[in-house]
Amino acid sequence: GAVVSQHPSWVICKSGTSVKIECRSLDFQATTMFWYRQFPKQSLMLMATSNEGSKATYEQGVEKDKFLINHASLTLSTLTVTSAHPEDSSFYICSVTGADYGYTFGSGTRLTVV
Amino acid sequence: GQSLEQPSEVTAVEGAIVQINCTYQTSGFYGLSWYQQHDGGAPTFLSYNGLDGLEETGRFSSFLSRSDSYGYLLLQELQMKDSASYFCAADTGGFKTIFGAGTRLFVKA
Repeated sequence: GAVVSQHPSWVICKSGTSVKIECRSLDFQATTMFWYRQFPKQSLMLMATSNEGSKATYEQGVEKDKFLINHASLTLSTLTVTSAHPEDSSFYICSVTGADYGYTFGSGTRLTVV
Repeated sequence: GQSLEQPSEVTAVEGAIVQINCTYQTSGFYGLSWYQQHDGGAPTFLSYNGLDGLEETGRFSSFLSRSDSYGYLLLQELQMKDSASYFCAADTGGFKTIFGAGTRLFVKA
């Protein structure tokens, strides 16, 4: 299956600053990557579908100007949380679909905004 | 709306068998997946059912009945390390996967 690396694994930032999260597909060319947000003890909520070389597709209710997604290559997608606020504190996870069924997830990024 | 329902918590003892059920209601359906997630970690893929019936992978098995919009994950010979959250996820087509709220499994000694 695919191997996905996500960085950083955790980050603490001040309110109003921006944070960039990287998701790399190490052994698989991923034309499509997915970004999820997960609050404690809750399910994964799809935020957006990242498409290589084109604009991301955002789910309803997700602010595209706040959560900037760039998928400039077949192995890298980035999620930038702009002007972060405490309510943005969450666990952010990326995933790719490999050749087999199912998604391979990155290790996740725990964002804490203080 | 589209939704997946699964129990919030299940408790079982080491060595036992536990079944986690999942019922789904989606506008499109291609298959049901199961994921395991330990606290603080990322979900890992366990199994996928595209067709009705039972899929077995070691101690874990998964079942799907399309006519009943129902599936389950069966964990046998439970071990302490199986304590985790388990999510069912419906593939609704076009890269759209909807996740259930997750079932927290507690395995006791």
